[in-house]
This record gives sequence, C-alpha cells and structure tokens, in this order.
Amino acid sequence: EDKVVQSPLSLVVHEGDTVTLNCSYEVTNFRSLLWYKQEKKAPTFLFMLTSSGIEKKSGRLSSILDKKELFSILNITATQTGDSAIYLCAVGRPMRFGAGTRLTVKP
Amino acid sequence: GAGVSQTPSNKVTEKGKYVELRCDPISGHTALYWYRQSLGQGPEFLIYFQGTGAADDSGLPNDRFFAVRPEGSVSTLKIQRTERGDSAVYLCASSSSATSGTREQFFGPGTRLTVL
Repeated sequence: EDKVVQSPLSLVVHEGDTVTLNCSYEVTNFRSLLWYKQEKKAPTFLFMLTSSGIEKKSGRLSSILDKKELFSILNITATQTGDSAIYLCAVGRPMRFGAGTRLTVKP
Repeated sequence: GAGVSQTPSNKVTEKGKYVELRCDPISGHTALYWYRQSLGQGPEFLIYFQGTGAADDSGLPNDRFFAVRPEGSVSTLKIQRTERGDSAVYLCASSSSATSGTREQFFGPGTRLTVL
C-alpha cells in the first residue's frame, strides 16, 4: 500500500533557527514529490521535485529529493513567525499526502 | 486572475441529509481534483476529472459520494445520507493538465462540512 510519512509531526522553534522537515515515501506510481504550505485552509505550492540530488531553492526555503532512499527534506533557514504553518508533502498519482509537519516559530 | 473558489465555505447539516459542495476551478484548467481533510491529517484523494469525465474515482469512500463536472469547468461533490464521519474540510484543486505527468495543483479554500 502506498504511504507517505512525514516527521516530525510538530516542531516549535524560535525566530532565526534553521529547521529540516522530512518526508519518506513508498508509492507504486512515482512521478514527482511536491511540497505544500498550509496556513489556514488552502495548501499553497512550494516545490516540485522529480530528479534526485538537484536542490530546489526559493528564498530561505530549499528542498532536495533522494529517489534511491525514497525521501525528501525541506529546509527553512532563518525562520520567521510567518513560516508557522503545516508543511505537507505529496507523492504519486493520484497524489497521496503525508499527515504534515506543524511548524510553530516563536518570536 | 481568480484562483480556485469553493462554496459554501461552511456547511452544517444533520445526519441523513443530502449536501452539495461546489468548486469553480481556475479558468482553462482541464484537471480538477477533490480531496477530504480531517483534523490532523493531510488531504485524502477522492476523485479527479480530466475535462468532463471522472478519470479516477478510486478515492470515493462509498456510493454515498458522487461528483460531476458536466461542462468541464465547475464541479459539484454530492454526499447523500450524510454521516457524522463525513465531517471534514473538502478541498478542491485544479491544474493545467493531468495527462502528461504531475502538474502543480492549485487549491481552493475548502468547504468545512459539519454533520450533527
């Protein structure tokens, strides 16, 4: 059965800290891995990863995929209170989501 | 341009009633997806449309759930004989194409359904 496991489930840090969120997966129909940020209701797209070892970067956020070990990490440097959200990863077709990591950044 | 919209934003109903949830995707997006998200969980796939047809409905939990997209744009998710376990946020997403691999999906704000 396909599964996507995210860790940690929740994380509390202070502004300026760096965090690493993990996503491991087992899916039969892998095409890409996507990361989303969910603050209130609608998840918003962050990254789509299709190839191993190629880092995607957007400002303070970056992500990389390891297709051999079947995982991805999302890094956030110099965290800000506005980074507080649930971070979701999704894999497969149709997309299967992990349960998410709830990140809280304290001032 | 306008994003994905969903109506109503909140729906409270009684056990056994029928509900309809509406999704208006981004104009020109051919692929449309419905998900259900329970508290503390990620979105769970229900059904996806490519154009007017349901290309994959494997996520619908049972035959009380049905969705249509008659003109290839707006979609309606219909739930018959609602049960308390149906309470969740129902998310809709659209993308420019689903036929040539995974594409970024744009999500609507969801409808929070509460079944009393």
